[in-house]
Amino acid sequence: GDSVTQMEGPVTLSEEAFLTINCTYTATGYPSLFWYVQYPGEGLQLLLKATKADDKGSNKGFEATYRKETTSFHLEKGSVQVSDSAVYFCALIFSGAGSYQLTFGKGTKLSVIP
Amino acid sequence: GAVVSQHPSWVICKSGTSVKIECRSLDFQATTMFWYRQFPKQSLMLMATSNEGSKATYEQGVEKDKFLINHASLTLSTLTVTSAHPEDSSFYICSARGARVGYTFGSGTRLTVV
Repeated sequence: GDSVTQMEGPVTLSEEAFLTINCTYTATGYPSLFWYVQYPGEGLQLLLKATKADDKGSNKGFEATYRKETTSFHLEKGSVQVSDSAVYFCALIFSGAGSYQLTFGKGTKLSVIP
Repeated sequence: GAVVSQHPSWVICKSGTSVKIECRSLDFQATTMFWYRQFPKQSLMLMATSNEGSKATYEQGVEKDKFLINHASLTLSTLTVTSAHPEDSSFYICSARGARVGYTFGSGTRLTVV
């Protein structure tokens, strides 16, 4: 079945450091890909998404490019801030089979220190 | 934008009692709602999928008699944890999906059973 694998955390970075959180997927067909963010004590918020190969999703300085050839959707940010401390989830929906279920990775906890 | 309201945000109950969690889509009709349970180290587990007016579809290993899900209208789904025990303590998150609205998550409910 469809699955998402993302790098294990926790990840601790200093403010203004470069961030990469790796995410790879396995799916039959062409899924839509998402990154969600969960701030402490809250639910999930959509951070960005991409629906087809070579699409780049971006939001709040975060970017991720849908790479079909490597089945990846790595999350990057050039300069992290303390306020970016949160748990980040990579997720996919396999579009085209009538399935509306999100498949999540296990989440990566990011801590940014001043 | 689409908003999902989840209540309560936290609840403490005695072992053996039942707790009801509500999930409401405030500005769209949610044809499908999902209930997740978040375990320590942040992994999300899909518990069940519910469509308005029909019985919920539970994931393997989820006790349907313990976790009662009702999706009586296009804007409201409820999860009732019956005869709660300390091992049911967790963070529960709902998500709603509408015709022209992607997945929108509630803010979560922290359940503590003492």
